[in-house]
Amino acid sequence: AQRVTQPEKLLSVFKGAPVELKCNYSYSGSPELFWYVQYSRQRLQLLLRHISRESIKGFTADLNKGETSFHLKKPFAQEEDSAMYYCALAGANNLFFGTGTRLTVIP
Amino acid sequence: EPEVTQTPSHQVTQMGQEVILRCVPISNHLYFYWYRQILGQKVEFLVSFYNNEISEKSEIFDDQFSVERPDGSNFTLKIRSTKLEDSAMYFCASSAQGPKNIQYFGAGTRLSVL
Repeated sequence: AQRVTQPEKLLSVFKGAPVELKCNYSYSGSPELFWYVQYSRQRLQLLLRHISRESIKGFTADLNKGETSFHLKKPFAQEEDSAMYYCALAGANNLFFGTGTRLTVIP
Repeated sequence: EPEVTQTPSHQVTQMGQEVILRCVPISNHLYFYWYRQILGQKVEFLVSFYNNEISEKSEIFDDQFSVERPDGSNFTLKIRSTKLEDSAMYFCASSAQGPKNIQYFGAGTRLSVL
């Protein structure tokens, strides 16, 4: 069965501190994983996807198949990073979302 | 930049009434989706649509739900007889290729069933 787990509902860090948002998945095939972000009063938008292996807004995420994880990291958090972050796994015809983590960056 | 457009932004209805939620996907996209998010819960898949037919639907998408692409631009979600538990944020999404590619989301319609 496909599943995405984000263990932290809330995460607060100080500005300039490193941040890591955890995501674990369960999938029998070859996973396609995404991080979506929702800033206050804005729509869900793609932050990054594992297949592109790029850094967006200073965020990176590495797929670890051994640990079935796709944690999102940023070395120095900024206030504008405060948002809701969703990890998502692509199925055959849809996306499975985790429950999301609300990140608050404290000035 | 093209966007997925959803109307209305907020819909209030009485229990048992029919509602139609409307979406205009990005014009050259071929795959369309509906998701919902009950307050405080995760985003849940409802249905995917490609080539004028449903590709997949979840357990939530029962006989009360239907989707339609009535013309070349709109993609609608109909709930025939709304229940209190249908109250949620409904998101439409589209992608140029399949779901393993980037899905672009609309701003959502908040449905309140009284």
